[in-house]
Amino acid sequence: DAKTTQPNSMESNEEEPVHLPCNHSTISGTDYIHWYRQLPSQGPEYVIHGLTSNVNNRMASLAIAEDRKSSTLILHRATLRDAAVYYCILGGGSYQLTFGKGTKLSVIP
Amino acid sequence: NAGVTQTPKFRILKIGQSMTLQCAQDMNHNYMYWYRQDPGMGLKLIYYSVGAGITDKGEVPNGYNVSRSTTEDFPLRLELAAPSQTSVYFCASSYSRQGKAEAFFGQGTRLTVV
Repeated sequence: DAKTTQPNSMESNEEEPVHLPCNHSTISGTDYIHWYRQLPSQGPEYVIHGLTSNVNNRMASLAIAEDRKSSTLILHRATLRDAAVYYCILGGGSYQLTFGKGTKLSVIP
Repeated sequence: NAGVTQTPKFRILKIGQSMTLQCAQDMNHNYMYWYRQDPGMGLKLIYYSVGAGITDKGEVPNGYNVSRSTTEDFPLRLELAAPSQTSVYFCASSYSRQGKAEAFFGQGTRLTVV
């Protein structure tokens, strides 16, 4: 599976938007871009995924670059509950998702 | 909906002991997975199943066994526990391959081998 690159950590103020970047320059045409998050002492939680077009759901938005070599997860209004490790993962034909170390998001009250 | 349920939540094993980590899902998903997560690291796939009676190895299968007799259940067996198996174990399920579909994870089993 192609690899992703994310910053180790980011900070955001509560109630402000957060943009979490992810680079995936070796993405293949069939790779979906997935985002999961993991709150402390919990299992990973699905956030959003997409292939080519931008995607929105109740949790977040996913903005995918035109060349698909990068993407951004957007949390429109950060809350304290959004403090977690966010994983950007590429998934295509493989049965598994390869989790890296992700980005640790801290939300400042 | 319960989603994916794992039991037990915590367990301490002595070296050489055996145990079974239980995983059950109520979403009628064909695909199920076992991951382990070591401190400060991402998740690594141990075994997966694409349906009842069908299982296959993931990235780190050594020291583990699985079976899938029903769609709902996917137990993970540790036969001879070793300190290297101290980890948090997560079970997951999805209706299609994880690469294309949303996966649902359990809350994890924290295992310590002493």
